[in-house]
Amino acid sequence: SQQGEEDPQALSIQEGENATMNCSYKTSINNLQWYRQNSGRGLVHLILIRSNEREKHSGRLRVTLDTSKKSSSLLITASRAADTASYFCATVYEILTGGGNKLTFGTGTQLKVEL
Amino acid sequence: EPEVTQTPSHQVTQMGQEVILRCVPISNHLYFYWYRQILGQKVEFLVSFYNNEISEKSEIFDDQFSVERPDGSNFTLKIRSTKLEDSAMYFCASSGEWPQPQHFGDGTRLSIL
Repeated sequence: SQQGEEDPQALSIQEGENATMNCSYKTSINNLQWYRQNSGRGLVHLILIRSNEREKHSGRLRVTLDTSKKSSSLLITASRAADTASYFCATVYEILTGGGNKLTFGTGTQLKVEL
Repeated sequence: EPEVTQTPSHQVTQMGQEVILRCVPISNHLYFYWYRQILGQKVEFLVSFYNNEISEKSEIFDDQFSVERPDGSNFTLKIRSTKLEDSAMYFCASSGEWPQPQHFGDGTRLSIL
């Protein structure tokens, strides 16, 4: 299984602080993606990092990938109350016959940003 | 921004009945997926669909399940002879060419009584 496991399971911070979430996985990957899920809603894609990349930025998001340790981290800087959500890493397996890709999600980190 | 839409948002069904969950993927996407999330558990891959065929399915996706693209816009998941353990959130997703990310709908909460 390529399952990702996030750490911590829950994180509570004050608005303006940075939030760091970690993800570990077991097998080789094509790429790794981070998703966000607000309560009762679907998953929203945040950022994709390829297996040959080490770091990627998107706005207040910074993702790192260490393929030797099979781990990734998501940093949200200057957090806002609106960042309150669950965050999931997903390892990506390209479906070679038939195309598309299959996501394997981790257990998620529940982030709460308090005013 | 285009969205994946799913209907209904909540479906309550008696055990043993058949349900059809409906999805309208993003119009120019080529690949379609179903995932499920049992309460408190991980989001699990069920099936991927391309060019009117299943391209990959998980162990969960047994003969009880089927998918169909009945027209140019809808993508459905049929669950026959529902069981209590089928209760979950079911998410539809679609994507363009690799390695474009998958876009998810808000899900259908399926409750089997």
